Amino acid sequence: AQSVTQPDIHITVSEGASLELRCNYSYGATPYLFWYVQSPGQGLQLLLKYFSGDTLVQGIKGFEAEFKRSQSSFNLRKPSVHWSDAAEYFCAVGATGTASKLTFGTGTRLQVTL
Amino acid sequence: DAGITQSPRHKVTETGTPVTLRCHQTENHRYMYWYRQDPGHGLRLIHYSYGVKDTDKGEVSDGYSVSRSKTEDFLLTLESATSSQTSVYFCAISEPGTPSTDTQYFGPGTRLTVL
Repeated sequence: AQSVTQPDIHITVSEGASLELRCNYSYGATPYLFWYVQSPGQGLQLLLKYFSGDTLVQGIKGFEAEFKRSQSSFNLRKPSVHWSDAAEYFCAVGATGTASKLTFGTGTRLQVTL
Repeated sequence: DAGITQSPRHKVTETGTPVTLRCHQTENHRYMYWYRQDPGHGLRLIHYSYGVKDTDKGEVSDGYSVSRSKTEDFLLTLESATSSQTSVYFCAISEPGTPSTDTQYFGPGTRLTVL
């Protein structure tokens, strides 16, 4: 069975600073990997996903993530954070070939200071 | 945004009463899911459906049942609500087949409080 760890419960960054949110997964083969964002009182919105191929994935809102098999990681990055990026971010892993059984991390809450 | 609605959006009920939450989609996706979200736990899968009348359990299915009589609707029932079922419930949909379509999209959520 797969599992996901998001080591950082809460992160605070200044507006304009760079951001990296960590995600480590456990799975025996190449997984499907996802990042979702949740604003307060809202549902989850897909930021980006990785299935295969290029290990650097571009998403919406200027986010990107890099799949590193050797480190079992799929960290989310953004070069310059905006105040509107304040939200909770979830990493999820699915088994090879299907996104129908996702395991979610416990989330990282991002606070942006002005 | 994917066409997913959930009803009701908020509900307060008492322990021991039955509760049904509805998820409705307009995307004609085969798979539908119910999750619950609790602080410190992320999202946990309750039940999912892979077609009309085809359902299976997730990791936290005890105390919940589901039904799917139409492609567009997936119902989650708490037969006798308990305070431990106070949570935010999310519905999701997906369409397996190709990597580009095989992604879960989420509804807006239902906040349930059991007193």
